Amino acid sequence: QVQLQESGPGLVKPSQTLSLTCAVSGGSVSSGSYYWSWIRQPAGKGLEWIGHLFTTGSADYNPSLTSRVTMALDTSRNQFSLRLTSVTAADTAVYFCARETCSPNSCYFDIWGQGTLVTVSS
Amino acid sequence: SYDLTQPPSVSVSPGQTARITCSGDALPKKYIYWYQQKSGQAPVLVIYEDSKRPSGIPERFSGSRSGTMATLTISGAHLEDEAVYHCYLTDSSGSLSVFGGGTQLTVL
Repeated sequence: QVQLQESGPGLVKPSQTLSLTCAVSGGSVSSGSYYWSWIRQPAGKGLEWIGHLFTTGSADYNPSLTSRVTMALDTSRNQFSLRLTSVTAADTAVYFCARETCSPNSCYFDIWGQGTLVTVSS
Repeated sequence: SYDLTQPPSVSVSPGQTARITCSGDALPKKYIYWYQQKSGQAPVLVIYEDSKRPSGIPERFSGSRSGTMATLTISGAHLEDEAVYHCYLTDSSGSLSVFGGGTQLTVL
């Protein structure tokens, strides 16, 4: 059974870079027709898709964040990562990693991490 | 940016039918997915491809769509169905992947 676990600093200073990792267990990040995704949720608000990586390492990002976001696959450690630069208080949120299963014309998040709270504050 | 619009809240009594709507201009062209998120937990998929139910999801959950609106229906709501429900739409390329604002379902 595939499981995901986020890790990273819970506090980031404004203008600095947020870095998170999602460890994958019970399966390989480099096999299958999956996207490996990041989603965030500010307190009391809705979900926001940040972006995703295919098993080849190619990435798509939310157009509203693309200038600040980088995602990468680390097949040797079976994990994937998120970097978000120049953070502000508006980036304070719970960050989830998730596996997205796709077939022609259909994609859905079937496995989620538990989420990790990142606060941007000096 | 593209928007999916949901009502902020819906309330029903136990055993009643709850209906949560999701509207958006791209609905006729793309599948809608529904996620249930209980307090302090990660979301769980309850409906995919407009109306299909993943294994393990109770039969009281159903989905439908008409034109630019999709509806999640919970027939005979249980107390444990109290949660925030999010609709989601994607074209899988990344150019269009968006969640609705979420609807808080209260069962009391």
